Amino acid sequence: NAGVMQNPRHLVRRRGQEARLRCSPVKGHSHVYWYRQLPEEGLKFMVYLQKENIIDESGMPKERFSAEFPKEGPSILRIQQVVRGDSAAYFCASSLNIYEQYFGPGTRLTVT
Amino acid sequence: KNEVEQSPQNLTAQEGEFITINCSYSVGISALHWLQQHPGGGIVSLFMLSSGKKKHGRLIATINIQEKHSSLHITASHPRDSAVYICAAGGSNYQLIWGAGTKLIIKP
Repeated sequence: NAGVMQNPRHLVRRRGQEARLRCSPVKGHSHVYWYRQLPEEGLKFMVYLQKENIIDESGMPKERFSAEFPKEGPSILRIQQVVRGDSAAYFCASSLNIYEQYFGPGTRLTVT
Repeated sequence: KNEVEQSPQNLTAQEGEFITINCSYSVGISALHWLQQHPGGGIVSLFMLSSGKKKHGRLIATINIQEKHSSLHITASHPRDSAVYICAAGGSNYQLIWGAGTKLIIKP
């Protein structure tokens, strides 16, 4: 996985709680991408960030979801007031340029 | 027709067999990715190719830019190779175009 780290690997939240998913990119990579995989489906693009900037959030639901990639520290995908339909695997990828993405192991979110 | 087509969709083979999974794409690419996903598990980046051939252990990936085709081969397959193998085409921007995946089962 070329060093992309995600934590936690598994996260259980009750409906209405907040979920915070973290992604530490490969050292030196300034591009981060978040993908969501619903059960039995393929990966779907959510958001593309560079340091301190959201470049493309066209795949992210307009409400309850937000993402950041601060100057220091990991990228965070935040889901407020989670619902059962948010249960999915969330993957991040990082890259040095826009062409080669290295994927993390994913965070499996379960909403009960 | 999808821009990235994988075949076969499902593949069952006996341990030790030589495995080939194919990926054809109709878009211009800068890199083609092969990824592995185990049931209920994470995604592992296997290869990123823009030309030629790459080898890692028992895995070999090739790409023919002119024919817009890539193959993933597994030599001496083992039950632990059972997983979904996904190819994804990276074009002129960051958006990856995903194949539907090939579900591989290796029987002991």
